[in-house]
Amino acid sequence: GAVVSQHPSRVICKSGTSVKIECRSLDFQATTMFWYRQFPKQSLMLMATSNEGSKATYEQGVEKDKFLINHASLTLSTLTVTSAHPEDSSFYICSATEALGNTIYFGEGSWLTVV
Amino acid sequence: GQQLNQSPQSMFIQEGEDVSMNCTSSSIFNTWLWYKQDPGEGPVLLIALYKAGELTSNGRLTAQFGITRKDSFLNISASIPSDVGIYFCAGQRASGSRLTFGEGTQLTVNP
Repeated sequence: GAVVSQHPSRVICKSGTSVKIECRSLDFQATTMFWYRQFPKQSLMLMATSNEGSKATYEQGVEKDKFLINHASLTLSTLTVTSAHPEDSSFYICSATEALGNTIYFGEGSWLTVV
Repeated sequence: GQQLNQSPQSMFIQEGEDVSMNCTSSSIFNTWLWYKQDPGEGPVLLIALYKAGELTSNGRLTAQFGITRKDSFLNISASIPSDVGIYFCAGQRASGSRLTFGEGTQLTVNP
């Protein structure tokens, strides 16, 4: 079945640095990818919708200059957390949908810890 | 953003018992999805529902798409310890569009 893979699964970075998280669709082409953020014991909150070849659409309250999203190919979207702060520490999850498909598949998630 | 109303928030049951959880919305969704999330992992799709009134099973899991398209429930029969986790409902308005998630139901199964 379809698989969405995220990398890295865990990352620790220092405050003020930037960190990139990759989301890949392994056996299908994903025209749309979604990036979520999840705090402990809470639901997934959509950050942005990423469409291949165009600018991402950010949810209200999400800083587009801080959370840079690039969807340069049909199998890869990246989320870059710039100038990271400890409050950016969270579980980031991507999902992807096939070009003509109904189902949304989720990645395994990436734990970000900013120290 | 908008979230679905999911209940209960948490459940503590004995192994072998049946479990039921549901989601309601003030607006219509054309697809309802149920996911399970284990700690530190991404959600895994359990059941997808595409038609109002649809009742779908996946092993010990049964889910229904409410006739009004504003609600859905998930039943787990004869629970086992590995059913432990957080269950999320999600609604989708159009194919390929964003998901709206419920707040989750934390399930604990005591052996």
